[in-house]
This record gives sequence, structure tokens and C-alpha cells, in this order.
Amino acid sequence: EVQLVESGGGLVQSGGSLRLSCAASGFTFSTYWMNWVRQAPGKGLEWVANIKHDGSEKYYVDSVKGRFTISRDNAKKSVSLQMNSLRVEDTAVYYCARGAGGVVPRYNWFDPWGQGTLVTVSS
Amino acid sequence: QSVLTQPPSVSGAPGQRVTISCTGSSSNIGADYDVHWYQQLPGTAPKLLIYANINRPSGVPDRFSGSKSGTSASLAITGLQAEDEADYYCQSYDSSLSGSVFGTGTKVTVL
Repeated sequence: EVQLVESGGGLVQSGGSLRLSCAASGFTFSTYWMNWVRQAPGKGLEWVANIKHDGSEKYYVDSVKGRFTISRDNAKKSVSLQMNSLRVEDTAVYYCARGAGGVVPRYNWFDPWGQGTLVTVSS
Repeated sequence: QSVLTQPPSVSGAPGQRVTISCTGSSSNIGADYDVHWYQQLPGTAPKLLIYANINRPSGVPDRFSGSKSGTSASLAITGLQAEDEADYYCQSYDSSLSGSVFGTGTKVTVL
């Protein structure tokens, strides 16, 4: 069974840091783009970042550039999101999602998704 | 804010047909990027419903169908059932933003 399990969420003060992790199983992790998508409480979905199967390319939504860093460890089948200089507006459930549909990320869809991990940034 | 616009809500009686629109622009749907749809049941993670405009993953009922034309796409649900009550999101790629984008989301209510 293809599965993604996130961890690392929690409560942090504004300006603080947090590192999220996503453990993958049930598929050949090293051949897929991986993504982080977030959802603020009661709001819609927002794509945050993605990383190429070999880690050589990374892309971010403008609002997190310079603050968040996505990385992966293919040997451990995991992808991480290092979040620094956190803001109240970063409060959200963060989902890890596999990029499906081929090696070109702009044609990718997200399948499957993990269960999500909640990040709360207090002022 | 999202660059793909969806109606905030749609509703229908059991058995009826409802449609959800997803309106974009020349830098995303109109640039011939594919549109994908997700269903998010209350309190759960999103689930892929339609990929590459018209395709259903295995296990998704054929009551769900997708279409795309110009700068817009649509999701249709026929034979509406109580279990279809959920939030629905479209997703595509935007060349101006150089990243994936989601629609604003639509809440489907079964009357």
C-alpha cells in the first residue's frame, strides 16, 4: 500500500523554527517528485514546495521563499520541510503529497496525500 | 490568494446532477495545463478524484466526470449521494507563478 506519514508539527512562537518530516512507503520513492501542501484552518489548499526525485530541483511558493527549505533522503524514503522565521499566517495543516503523472512537475497531480500535521504559530 | 476561481457552494437533492466550475486564465488552464480535481471529506486529507482533465483513478465512481475548455474546467457529479458531501478543489499549474495552484474550493451539500 502506498502511504505517506507526516510528523513534526506543533506549537511554535512567531519567528521560531520547525522541521516537518514525511515517511514514504509502498512505492519507489526515488523516482517521484514530492510536494508539501498546506491548509490554514477553515481555508483552502495552497501548494508550498516541491523537490525533484534526485533533489536537484526545488521550487517554492513566493510567500515561503527564503524561509522554508525542502529536502529529501532517498535512502530513508523521506522528505522534509525546514521552516524558519515562522509567521502567524503559516499556521496550517501541512500535507505531504506525491507528484504523479511523470517527471515534468508542471503536469503533475498529487496522489496520494498523507494525513497531515498541524503547525500552529502563536504571536 | 488563489488564481483559480470556484463557486463557494453548490447543492442538490439526492439523485440530481451538480456541476462545479473552475475558472482560470491564460497562464494556467488557458495555457493548456491539465486540471485535476480533489475531494476532501470533513476532517480528512484531500483525495484525488479526476486527473488530467477527464481521467478517474481506479475506485472513483463513474458518477464523477471532468471536462476542460478554454480557460475553464468543470467537475460534474451525477446521481448525487449523501456521501458526496465534501469540499472539492481544482488544481493546475501556473506559468506566471511557476508552481501548482489550487482553486478556491467548493462545498457540496446534499439536500
